[in-house]
Amino acid sequence: SYELTQPPSVSVSPGQTASITCSGDKLGDKYAYWYQQKPGQSPVLVIYEDIKRPSGIPERFSGSNSGNTATLTISGTQAMDEADYYCQAWDSSTGVVFGGGTKLTVL
Amino acid sequence: QVQLQESGPGLVKPSQTLSLTCTVSGGSISSGAYYWSWIRQHPGKGLEWIGYIYYSGSTYYTPSLKNLVNISVDTSNNQFSLKLSSVTAADTAVYYCARGQGLEVWFDSWGQGTPVTVSS
Repeated sequence: SYELTQPPSVSVSPGQTASITCSGDKLGDKYAYWYQQKPGQSPVLVIYEDIKRPSGIPERFSGSNSGNTATLTISGTQAMDEADYYCQAWDSSTGVVFGGGTKLTVL
Repeated sequence: QVQLQESGPGLVKPSQTLSLTCTVSGGSISSGAYYWSWIRQHPGKGLEWIGYIYYSGSTYYTPSLKNLVNISVDTSNNQFSLKLSSVTAADTAVYYCARGQGLEVWFDSWGQGTPVTVSS
């Protein structure tokens, strides 16, 4: 079955750039999606089809995907960005696959 | 803007069937190429996709649960439902319904989630 791997945690200082990676076999041949989940809330889509931002998502959120790794980048990270982030892809054999999630700490 | 709301028992006994319903408002469940999906999150853990029912009625379940899961749609009430049979404590989780779209399914709208505990 297809798997996506994320680092359990990432720390960043306010105003700096946070990068969260997501690795999977030939992930660059698929689209990567990213969700933000704050405690007690439902996930919210922040990046779709590798690089696109849904309406209402700040421009500081961006994405890339190449080779075996997709990356979510948050520029000028704010305290409100502290959350869990999940990558997601689609595999024809497995269906929808989520990464294990990354806890972003802004300190 | 479409909204989704889960409903169902918060407590299910082991070996019984977990049944949840998702009510969709703000749009018809039978219009548009959407994948009406169930996703769960075990306590303190990540997201696990369970399966979806496509607007055409076809279904796709995650391989590890496909023998235990059934997702159906009730267009007259604009709802879709999840049935998970033979539950164990390992099925204790928050269950989300979500709307998926795209050639490679992704989720643009989520319900608030409903916690389900499996315990005698």
